[in-house]
Amino acid sequence: QVQLVQSGAEVKKPGASVKVSCKASGYTFTFYSIHWVRQAPGLGLEWMGMINPSAGTTTYTQKFQGRVTMTRDTSTSTVYMELSSLRSEDTAVHYCARDLGAGTGSLDNWGQGTLVTVSS
Amino acid sequence: QFALTQPASVSGSPGQSITISCTGTSSDVGLYNYVSWYQQYPDKAPKLMIYDVSKRPSGVSNRFSGSKSGNTASLTISGLQAEDEADYYCSSYTISSLYVFGTGTKVTVL
Repeated sequence: QVQLVQSGAEVKKPGASVKVSCKASGYTFTFYSIHWVRQAPGLGLEWMGMINPSAGTTTYTQKFQGRVTMTRDTSTSTVYMELSSLRSEDTAVHYCARDLGAGTGSLDNWGQGTLVTVSS
Repeated sequence: QFALTQPASVSGSPGQSITISCTGTSSDVGLYNYVSWYQQYPDKAPKLMIYDVSKRPSGVSNRFSGSKSGNTASLTISGLQAEDEADYYCSSYTISSLYVFGTGTKVTVL
């Protein structure tokens, strides 16, 4: 069955960087794009960006341009999301999710989420 | 890109039908048939309930249905059940080749 397993919770200081991993299994890794979505405590879902694991091409929302980098390792079927210059507002659960088809944004399988806490 | 607009809360009694709206613009909801709906329980990952405006993934109850008119998409839950009490989010592809979520709706079963 399709599974996305994310790395564990992180606590970072303001100004630091965090790198969250998302390991895929149960399907052909390069066939489906992976999106990153985050949710601050008590708030709604926020789309951050996506990566095409086949070509390695990325699309980021303007809010995170220059601070976020999404990469992939096809040898381990793993996608990474690195967020730099962390501030307290980045405290959130970060999810990876698989796009069901052709970049339509239909996210049919989600990771369990990774809580990133930014605190001095 | 601003979030799509959803009502903060919707409620209904068991067995009733409720509809959640998702209002965007002619650059997102109104332009593409790439609207999805997600159900989220507290401290859980979202679950895809509807995609491409009105398609249901395998395993999702046929009590859930989606539609769109102009810049507004809608999710209807018929035969409301206690287990439907959750947060619901819409999302859409946009003209900028990006994606945007709705503000979220808390569904309460009375």
